[in-house]
Amino acid sequence: SQKIEQNSEALNIQEGKTATLTCNYTNYSPAYLQWYRQDPGRGPVFLLLIRENEKEKRKERLKVTFDTTLKQSLFHITASQPADSATYLCALYNQGGKLIFGQGTELSVKP
Amino acid sequence: DTAVSQTPKYLVTQMGNDKSIKCEQNLGHDTMYWYKQDSKKFLKIMFSYNNKELIINETVPNRFSPKSPDKAHLNLHINSLELGDSAVYFCASSQAPGLAKNIQYFGAGTRLSVL
Repeated sequence: SQKIEQNSEALNIQEGKTATLTCNYTNYSPAYLQWYRQDPGRGPVFLLLIRENEKEKRKERLKVTFDTTLKQSLFHITASQPADSATYLCALYNQGGKLIFGQGTELSVKP
Repeated sequence: DTAVSQTPKYLVTQMGNDKSIKCEQNLGHDTMYWYKQDSKKFLKIMFSYNNKELIINETVPNRFSPKSPDKAHLNLHINSLELGDSAVYFCASSQAPGLAKNIQYFGAGTRLSVL
């Protein structure tokens, strides 16, 4: 069955640095991969979607890459700010039409 | 105006009780979902309805029964609550079911605590 792995250890970085989060998937080749942000006590909020034939997608300070050979997506936040502190989830639809999520990586940006 | 709203936000109840969680979306979407997020933060789909019809029914105890009176509402009723039902339940919606590029919009969650 479809599996998504994200680094379960929290990522702590200094303000202004670039945060890089990893998402690896197995057993399937999705046409799209999505990234969501979840704040404590809140539901996930969609951030970015990338197609399999797009190597890279950008939105303001966010950048997502999608390597279908490695079955991996990287999520970058440049010039990070304390307000970027949250849990970031990657997700993809499996062949049964269900959105499968990774367990998320908690990012903490220190001033 | 909140796009996907669910009530209540917190629910504390005793084992064996029956409870309901309500969800409404004002996005005009056809598809709605219930997810469960456990203590390890994994989000898992439970049910999905498309235009009031059940289209996804994961391996969930039949104590859980979703109901969709119309495509803007999806409620979740839980009978005979057990300790293991304690979790955060999220409602979500999307324009259509299952398309790989469908974005889902989530409610704020209902934190259920069974004592």
